[in-house]
Amino acid sequence: DAGVIQSPRHEVTEMGQEVTLRCKPISGHDYLFWYRQTMMRGLELLIYFNNNVPIDDSGMPEDRFSAKMPNASFSTLKIQPSEPRDSAVYFCASSLQGFNTGELFFGEGSRLTVL
Amino acid sequence: QKEVEQNSGPLSVPEGAIASLNCTYSDRVSQSFFWYRQYSGKSPELIMSIYSNGDKEDGRFTAQLNKASQYVSLLIRDSQPSDSATYLCAVNRGYSTLTFGKGTMLLVSP
Repeated sequence: DAGVIQSPRHEVTEMGQEVTLRCKPISGHDYLFWYRQTMMRGLELLIYFNNNVPIDDSGMPEDRFSAKMPNASFSTLKIQPSEPRDSAVYFCASSLQGFNTGELFFGEGSRLTVL
Repeated sequence: QKEVEQNSGPLSVPEGAIASLNCTYSDRVSQSFFWYRQYSGKSPELIMSIYSNGDKEDGRFTAQLNKASQYVSLLIRDSQPSDSATYLCAVNRGYSTLTFGKGTMLLVSP
């Protein structure tokens, strides 16, 4: 069975441009998470969905960030406008039982570089 | 105070030795504890979970939890070069979130 699929794997863009990251969770997983990883701050939760509904977006840095999950098999994380400090690896993860079991299945990540 | 703290390392051990990775957490109501392994350039993957005080063994891995001291550790016996990775400690403070430490890099030399 395919794991969590993210695209693009690498994105280089210039400050001010819009960035859209995409994620396809594992089929049957009701929870989807967006994390951001940097050397300075480690792995941070940005937002998570349960059954396509956003549950907690308190980790979203500011209004420049938005996330959607229009259906059970697709989610997007959008940054508009992008800034150099947004450079990071963005991971999408999915799970059957949310944080309860702690078992999150991560995608390979999207490495974003904003110049 | 950081919620989940780990020594960034690197922790260097020779092949065959025991690697000991440590993690402390600040929230006393934390209930569940997890160790993720992340190879360089790859995504984190869950390798161990522990919910009650004491030891939990799985193959070469042993997780240890001491809630009174707010301390969780991971021991890797007979370390192999393939164990070289960053190990992330994660703490569940309930059903609402999973907080990760920044990770400890482990280097196992042949």
